[in-house]
Amino acid sequence: QKEVEQDPGPLSVPEGAIVSLNCTYSNSAFQYFMWYRQYSRKGPELLMYTYSSGNKEDGRFTAQVDKSSKYISLFIRDSQPSDSATYLCAMRAAGNKLTFGGGTRVLVKP
Amino acid sequence: NAGVTQTPKFRILKIGQSMTLQCAQDMNHNYMYWYRQDPGMGLKLIYYSVGAGITDKGEVPNGYNVSRSTTEDFPLRLELAAPSQTSVYFCASSSRKGANEKLFFGSGTQLSVL
Repeated sequence: QKEVEQDPGPLSVPEGAIVSLNCTYSNSAFQYFMWYRQYSRKGPELLMYTYSSGNKEDGRFTAQVDKSSKYISLFIRDSQPSDSATYLCAMRAAGNKLTFGGGTRVLVKP
Repeated sequence: NAGVTQTPKFRILKIGQSMTLQCAQDMNHNYMYWYRQDPGMGLKLIYYSVGAGITDKGEVPNGYNVSRSTTEDFPLRLELAAPSQTSVYFCASSSRKGANEKLFFGSGTQLSVL
């Protein structure tokens, strides 16, 4: 079993819809949670960072962490074709290496 | 504002050949990393470095070597290429290690070993 599970997609939505992405994990020591966005043939770029449980909002993006369920989510409101990319969740325990999910491919259709 | 630069972008190797993937950053970052990305498998850490002259193994170091003679450069060496090393390789750097460490990635090197 992978330490971090992420549905590979693709997730196809019409422009303006809400995109909902999630990851589940098995290591209860994970405390720091990140979402990276990766465009085709490019390296990942950090989108959101959250510590422990709770919500964090940044513009059209909202990250949620539920440590009791070992579940994290990323929501993209008012999705745009430019949001079409692969979204990778990543997490770490204190002082440890970063563990990435396999990524979910998102397609936002005009 | 170059950031992290990787060369080459694409390469095809024959089994048993050797090559070096180049990585350079111009942000004066101490921490540098090499990852490989296989389809649906996420990024796996190969090697990392916390500063010039200091390197350490990640999750999947077998078949690879690194060196860090300067702060800017962190080349990855494949000595005897094998088909299992077909992957996309990403170099990354950061200015600090810690909870909110932000990694800056290069655009990747797509390597095929045939």
